Amino acid sequence: EPEVTQTPSHQVTQMGQEVILRCVPISNHLYFYWYRQILGQKVEFLVSFYNNEISEKSEIFDDQFSVERPDGSNFTLKIRSTKLEDSAMYFCASSGQGFSYEQYFGPGTRLTVT
Amino acid sequence: AQKVTQAQTEISVVEKEDVTLDCVYETRDTTYYLFWYKQPPSGELVFLIRRNSFDEQNEISGRYSWNFQKSTSSFNFTITASQVVDSAVYFCALSDYSSNTGKLIFGQGTTLQVKP
Repeated sequence: EPEVTQTPSHQVTQMGQEVILRCVPISNHLYFYWYRQILGQKVEFLVSFYNNEISEKSEIFDDQFSVERPDGSNFTLKIRSTKLEDSAMYFCASSGQGFSYEQYFGPGTRLTVT
Repeated sequence: AQKVTQAQTEISVVEKEDVTLDCVYETRDTTYYLFWYKQPPSGELVFLIRRNSFDEQNEISGRYSWNFQKSTSSFNFTITASQVVDSAVYFCALSDYSSNTGKLIFGQGTTLQVKP
């Protein structure tokens, strides 16, 4: 069964460093998303991506964040200068149809900023 | 504005008991979709069900059932004859037409502990 994959599973970085979180969505999906979950809290939307551009972003997704689909399979989230409060689990998700259809989530990347 | 409320933070039951997880949502749209996801201790988010705003029929899948009531803006989830493997955090989520991108608005989650 097709699944969303994410690498790395755990990333430790120092404050101020850049990190890139990688995702491989399900191959025939067209809509891609990043969410984050601070430990013990709810899952929060960061950004949606369709047709090679951002379709919506939340207020969390400030200038320090960027997304890219560099080739036909990968979908990346970059944080330029990490802060302590960026420590969270980051989930990538993909959907075949967008708005009304279920999103399938990857296993997540746990980002720890020290 | 869209909002999902899961008032039950934690629920603890003994195996074989039935348990209902509550979800109340807010949206101004008439077209919207509701979802339930399961987050087991391993951390991944597992899709359980999607329901659109025009279909108020209850749904049953094995030991799982869902009760959607537009009149009370609720989409509750019942596990019948709970098992230890059902222990997880359960999230209710909403996607509505005002956000045509499909972003999900999640509730705070309910932690279900099923004891043997």
